[in-house]
Amino acid sequence: DAKTTQPPSMDCAEGRAANLPCNHSTISGNEYVYWYRQIHSQGPQYIIHGLKNNETNEMASLIITEDRKSSTLILPHATLRDTAVYYCIVRVLLARGEKLTFGTGTRLTIIP
Amino acid sequence: GAGVSQTPSNKVTEKGKYVELRCDPISGHTALYWYRQSLGQGPEFLIYFQGTGAADDSGLPNDRFFAVRPEGSVSTLKIQRTERGDSAVYLCASSTVGAGEQYFGPGTRLTVT
Repeated sequence: DAKTTQPPSMDCAEGRAANLPCNHSTISGNEYVYWYRQIHSQGPQYIIHGLKNNETNEMASLIITEDRKSSTLILPHATLRDTAVYYCIVRVLLARGEKLTFGTGTRLTIIP
Repeated sequence: GAGVSQTPSNKVTEKGKYVELRCDPISGHTALYWYRQSLGQGPEFLIYFQGTGAADDSGLPNDRFFAVRPEGSVSTLKIQRTERGDSAVYLCASSTVGAGEQYFGPGTRLTVT
């Protein structure tokens, strides 16, 4: 799986949009970009994934650059409950399951 | 519906003892994964089951670690002759085959004294 690079930490004011960057310059054409987050003392939680088009769901938006070498996860109106470690992962989506390779992620702190 | 559950939530054992950690996946999920997370690190893959068989056990650190899933549902991670370095949170996840997202349980915190 391609390696990802994320800033170790970020702060964001409550109610503002949180924009979390991820670099994946060695991503292959068949690899998807996934985002998970882990709130303290809980298991990781799936947020969103995409291949090359921008994606949006009830939790977040995912913006992938045209060359697919980087992406941004956007939490449109951050709340205190969004304080967590956010992991960007790139992986192939196979017909069978596939392991996730986590890095150290970005620790996002929402400031009241 | 019910999510992935793991028992016990906490386990303290002495060095050299044997432990079993249990995972109940989401009903109907055929894929089951075990990960281990040390303090300050992201989760690290251990083993993946598709049905009853281990499809990928490349993450098991050594032969003291073993996992089973005899009926294709509940899984047990077994650690023999525990060492202090085995102390970590052990996470279980499940998914449907071909689906991108994995659903994680709350983990079992193992402490080896």
